[in-house]
Amino acid sequence: GAVVSQHPSWVICKSGTSVKIECRSLDFQATTMFWYRQFPKQSLMLMATSNEGSKATYEQGVEKDKFLINHASLTLSTLTVTSAHPEDSSFYICSAQFAIDEQFFGPGTRLTVL
Amino acid sequence: GDSVTQMEGPVTLSEEAFLTINCTYTATGYPSLFWYVQYPGEGLQLLLKATKADDKGSNKGFEATYRKETTSFHLEKGSVQVSDSAVYFCAPGARAGNNRKLIWGLGTSLAVNP
Repeated sequence: GAVVSQHPSWVICKSGTSVKIECRSLDFQATTMFWYRQFPKQSLMLMATSNEGSKATYEQGVEKDKFLINHASLTLSTLTVTSAHPEDSSFYICSAQFAIDEQFFGPGTRLTVL
Repeated sequence: GDSVTQMEGPVTLSEEAFLTINCTYTATGYPSLFWYVQYPGEGLQLLLKATKADDKGSNKGFEATYRKETTSFHLEKGSVQVSDSAVYFCAPGARAGNNRKLIWGLGTSLAVNP
């Protein structure tokens, strides 16, 4: 299957700083990418749908000013957690849509905010 | 709202045992149904899918049938192997424009002992 990478795989930061997570589709172009959040022993929660060249669509309850998404090219979407706080600590996962019924997932990024 | 209920784990089986992981869902419209698998240390991978009622998805010896009348998509395998040890996620996907918005179950952890 196609490959999606995420960088970094883990990051530790101080409260109040911003953190950028990259999601890349390595061998296909993805008009649409998705960002998920996963808490321990819980399911994935869709945060936003990222469309190349346009604004992201955020799910209800997700602060768009807190979680900035930029999908500047067909192979790269970034999620920036601004002014991170300990409650933002989580596992963030991206996926890239290859076809309507096929998403390829990145390995995830573990964010810890001290 | 849309939701999915998955059999709680962890499930522990001996090699060559029969596996069933139950999944039921509530969703508006007519979703496609997916099972994803996450092997230790890896990202989510599509295991199988079904896009309409009575369709049977199959892959790597796993099968699941789209049961519209019971809104279920139970995962089965006749003879599990140690290499099947992973976390399995049931995820209905409702059409949202040109995308599928996946709704995730909690995941069922499977451990297969030799």
